[in-house]
Amino acid sequence: SQKIEQNSEALNIQEGKTATLTCNYTNYSPAYLQWYRQDPGRGPVFLLLIRENEKEKRKERLKVTFDTTLKQSLFHITASQPADSATYLCALGGGGSQGNLIFGKGTKLSVKP
Amino acid sequence: DAGVIQSPRHEVTEMGQEVTLRCKPISGHNSLFWYRQTMMRGLELLIYFNNNVPIDDSGMPEDRFSAKMPNASFSTLKIQPSEPRDSAVYFCASRTGEETQYFGPGTRLLVL
Repeated sequence: SQKIEQNSEALNIQEGKTATLTCNYTNYSPAYLQWYRQDPGRGPVFLLLIRENEKEKRKERLKVTFDTTLKQSLFHITASQPADSATYLCALGGGGSQGNLIFGKGTKLSVKP
Repeated sequence: DAGVIQSPRHEVTEMGQEVTLRCKPISGHNSLFWYRQTMMRGLELLIYFNNNVPIDDSGMPEDRFSAKMPNASFSTLKIQPSEPRDSAVYFCASRTGEETQYFGPGTRLLVL
């Protein structure tokens, strides 16, 4: 069955450092991969989308890479700030999923001042 | 735009009672999704509508769960009878096109 793993449940880093979150998947060939941010008590909010034929995508301090050979995506937040503290979810789409997204369980990022 | 609207935001009920969750998608969006989120299982898709028609309900846990979308601006998720293991946060999301989903604030359900 399809499986998505985000490398750790929690990640603690110091302000100003780069946070790197990992998303691995098996038994799936997604057409695209998305990253969402979720704050406590709120619904997920879309951040970035990267397609299977793209290697890297950037948006301000965010960078996403997508390696379909390794079946892995890396999500980077550079110059991290305490306001970046949240849970980050990766989601796979396309690839015969009838338009659905399959979500990982998320990584809770804490940025300490 | 008001975004996806869900009601109620919180629901506490007793085992065996019927629970109805409501969702108003973003105007113009043609797909609507119901998800359930728990610590153990993460965010799970329950059912997905496209143009008000259910496309994939394979995530609906059992016959106690049902969902309807009578028109493009309203959907319900009903649990009857409810059980303590149904306690979770239920999200509704909508989208237009193929990709980005817009989530509502969720309904936190506690079944005692």
